[in-house]
Amino acid sequence: GQQLNQSPQSMFIQEGEDVSMNCTSSSIFNTWLWYKQDPGEGPVLLIALYKAGELTSNGRLTAQFGITRKDSFLNISASIPSDVGIYFCAGPPGGGSEKLVFGKGTKLTVNP
Amino acid sequence: GAGVSQSPSNKVTEKGKDVELRCDPISGHTALYWYRQSLGQGLEFLIYFQGNSAPDKSGLPSDRFSAERTGGSVSTLTIQRTQQEDSAVYLCASSLRRRGEETQYFGPGTRLLVL
Repeated sequence: GQQLNQSPQSMFIQEGEDVSMNCTSSSIFNTWLWYKQDPGEGPVLLIALYKAGELTSNGRLTAQFGITRKDSFLNISASIPSDVGIYFCAGPPGGGSEKLVFGKGTKLTVNP
Repeated sequence: GAGVSQSPSNKVTEKGKDVELRCDPISGHTALYWYRQSLGQGLEFLIYFQGNSAPDKSGLPSDRFSAERTGGSVSTLTIQRTQQEDSAVYLCASSLRRRGEETQYFGPGTRLLVL
């Protein structure tokens, strides 16, 4: 089945630094989603992208839908301690399926 | 609260026993999803319910796994004859499944440990 390859697997940064993570697929996705999961919680949607080339911001977060429809990027600017968590990319594989396919996540640690 | 709730939050069971996991979706949401998250992994789709349509069971890993959704609301995921590899966090999500309102809202999950 379709898979999403997410990198990096983990990041250790200092508070105030910018962060960038990406997600790639061997097949086309028509929607890209970025979720954040805090320990002991379910994932929460951060940004949804619906059009190739689209660039969308949510506060300090910015995500882009790649032109090829096979990749997406999430950037976090001026990181703060509460940005700690696991960030997942996800998307519906299409073909009428309603499920979401998830990447394996990027674990972010922010040192104060 | 208005969010998706799941119970129990944690479940420890012995290999071979059956377990039932419950999900209460957000009121009015017609779509309900179950996912499994193994340690350090992303979410793996299990099953999807939409209104009165036949569920999409394509993600269920074996016939030991089944799920029901009664009255278009509460759902129960049942795992029979549990195995150690079933240990994971089981997450439920719901959505409106209406154009422009397709966001899946997740519950906190049930952490299952099979000894």
